[in-house]
Amino acid sequence: AQSVAQPEDQVNVAEGNPLTVKCTYSVSGNPYLFWYVQYPNRGLQFLLKYITGDNLVKGSYGFEAEFNKSQTSFHLKKPSALVSDSALYFCAVRGDYGGATNKLIFGTGTLLAVQP
Amino acid sequence: DGGITQSPKYLFRKEGQNVTLSCEQNLNHDAMYWYRQDPGQGLRLIYYSQIVNDFQKGDIAEGYSVSREKKESFPLTVTSAQKNPTAFYLCASSIYQNTEAFFGQGTRLTVV
Repeated sequence: AQSVAQPEDQVNVAEGNPLTVKCTYSVSGNPYLFWYVQYPNRGLQFLLKYITGDNLVKGSYGFEAEFNKSQTSFHLKKPSALVSDSALYFCAVRGDYGGATNKLIFGTGTLLAVQP
Repeated sequence: DGGITQSPKYLFRKEGQNVTLSCEQNLNHDAMYWYRQDPGQGLRLIYYSQIVNDFQKGDIAEGYSVSREKKESFPLTVTSAQKNPTAFYLCASSIYQNTEAFFGQGTRLTVV
């Protein structure tokens, strides 16, 4: 069965410091991995995805994520955090097994708080 | 202006009533999804549809129903059988399997 784990409910970081939001996954076959961000009372906005190819994926707003197959991880990173990055971040996974639509499964979310 | 539109943004329901949440997309996407979001539980899949006139139950389908009569539309009905309907409901769509999903702005449903 597919699953996603975001082990930290909240991550606190000072503005200007690097940030990491962790995600690990379990899926049959090769994974399709996604990161989304959600601001209060809004829908989710797509940040980046890994389908195949380079393990380091670059996305919107300066975010990037590193796919690590041996550790089944897809951590979100940014070299220098901004106060405006404060939001709820979701990792999601879908398997590549053929046949019927594969469900997009989300983690429980990590609240990122960037202090000025 | 392309995207996914959910309406209404806020909805109040009396106990025992059915309500229908609207989701419309003009992205020409095949797949559409409904998720429920509760604090601390992330997003849970209610129903999804790959194609017109076809849909499958997600992980928490009990007390909900959907239809997919048009490619652009995927309305969700919260029935009186849903024991705890107060939540934030999100609709999404994607071209198909390995592509990202795009989300609407959500509908906050409150039972009064």
